[in-house]
Amino acid sequence: ETGVTQSPTHLIKTRGQQVTLRCSSQSGHNTVSWYQQALGQGPQFIFQYYREEENGRGNFPPRFSGLQFPNYSSELNVNALELDDSALYLCASSPYRLAQSTDTQYFGPGTRLTVL
Amino acid sequence: AQKVTQAQTEISVVEKEDVTLDCVYETRDTTYYLFWYKQPPSGELVFLIRRNSFDEQNEISGRYSWNFQKSTSSFNFTITASQVVDSAVYFCALSEIRNNAGNMLTFGGGTRLMVKP
Repeated sequence: ETGVTQSPTHLIKTRGQQVTLRCSSQSGHNTVSWYQQALGQGPQFIFQYYREEENGRGNFPPRFSGLQFPNYSSELNVNALELDDSALYLCASSPYRLAQSTDTQYFGPGTRLTVL
Repeated sequence: AQKVTQAQTEISVVEKEDVTLDCVYETRDTTYYLFWYKQPPSGELVFLIRRNSFDEQNEISGRYSWNFQKSTSSFNFTITASQVVDSAVYFCALSEIRNNAGNMLTFGGGTRLMVKP
């Protein structure tokens, strides 16, 4: 069974640029969530995708957007990068099966984004 | 709004000592889930345990044990006979149930555990 994978591992961008991060979910999982983890802090929820639609969003501006594909993989796009966007971006997948349920989220290794 | 507090930012112990990591949470829901994750230096969050709000039984898994007390809104984690490999940042997290609105995890700030040989 393949776990959650993310690419790239590291990325360096300059302020104002755009970035796309990628995530492949664990086999059998249909839900993908994205989190931002600033240095020394706990992860913060960005949004979740289920059946190719956004299914919940945290307190992040619209320049953070995402996509989910039919194979359940996902992308996180960030436009107009700011210095404060420098962080570890974590993707998690889970088998979302019921409307009123919460399944364990399994995390990938993350993408370390540095904005200069 | 939900909130998770891990008051201990850093703990240092000597190998074979027992150590308890504290977690206190806030939620208005009666149904919720609590989690513990381990984050080694590699960065990946490793799932350790999930408990629902209706199950207050303590759990033991090898050297790990968890104490869930709804009356004090706490979900503490104890490592018995700690080992150097236990050195990592540990996160407690809370998930409420939302109707078709995603099951976001709210994390605490984490506790960095350093186990010295």
